[in-house]
Amino acid sequence: QKEVEQNSGPLSVPEGAIASLNCTYSDRGSQSFFWYRQYSGKSPELIMSIYSNGDKEDGRFTAQLNKASQYVSLLIRDSQPSDSATYLCAVKMIKAAGNKLTFGGGTRVLVKP
Amino acid sequence: SAVISQKPSRDICQRGTSLTIQCQVDSQVTMMFWYRQQPGQSLTLIATANQGSEATYESGFVIDKFPISRPNLTFSTLTVSNMSPEDSSIYLCSVERDGEQYFGPGTRLTVT
Repeated sequence: QKEVEQNSGPLSVPEGAIASLNCTYSDRGSQSFFWYRQYSGKSPELIMSIYSNGDKEDGRFTAQLNKASQYVSLLIRDSQPSDSATYLCAVKMIKAAGNKLTFGGGTRVLVKP
Repeated sequence: SAVISQKPSRDICQRGTSLTIQCQVDSQVTMMFWYRQQPGQSLTLIATANQGSEATYESGFVIDKFPISRPNLTFSTLTVSNMSPEDSSIYLCSVERDGEQYFGPGTRLTVT
């Protein structure tokens, strides 16, 4: 089992719809969770961080965390073609020394006009 | 956030040679990280570099192949030594600030 798992996609959504991305992790004691967006040929850009169970909203993005079920999700509302990118889930695992992040494989999102 | 620059942005190198990648951040940070991202793959941590101490390498990465320097709190270098085509990848510098990690623009390395 991978430590952080994501569906590789592509997740194809029509413009204006909601894109829903999921991520599961293996380390139950993990405390910090992050979503990065990576455009092709670019470096990852932090879009959301979440530390507590529940929802956290920032503009069109909502991160949802459920520590009991060990998953974190990202919702993108009113999806735009500019949201087409790979979204990386990252977890700071309690078992890992030195504040390192463990990344999932990423979910590729395609927003079709 | 953090403003991070890397040099060079890309390079094409011959096998057997070495390349040093520089990472500069806009203000002091304690922790800097070096990642590798191979084509179509996610990020793999190479090592963590803290100022004033030896870098901590992840499993599968060794100091002889990827020596790292961290002379101060705003700068680090990663050297890719004795390169082979398998080292062709994007190398990314990252810093942690307020519990969040931010990435530099990356160095795209091609080894021929």
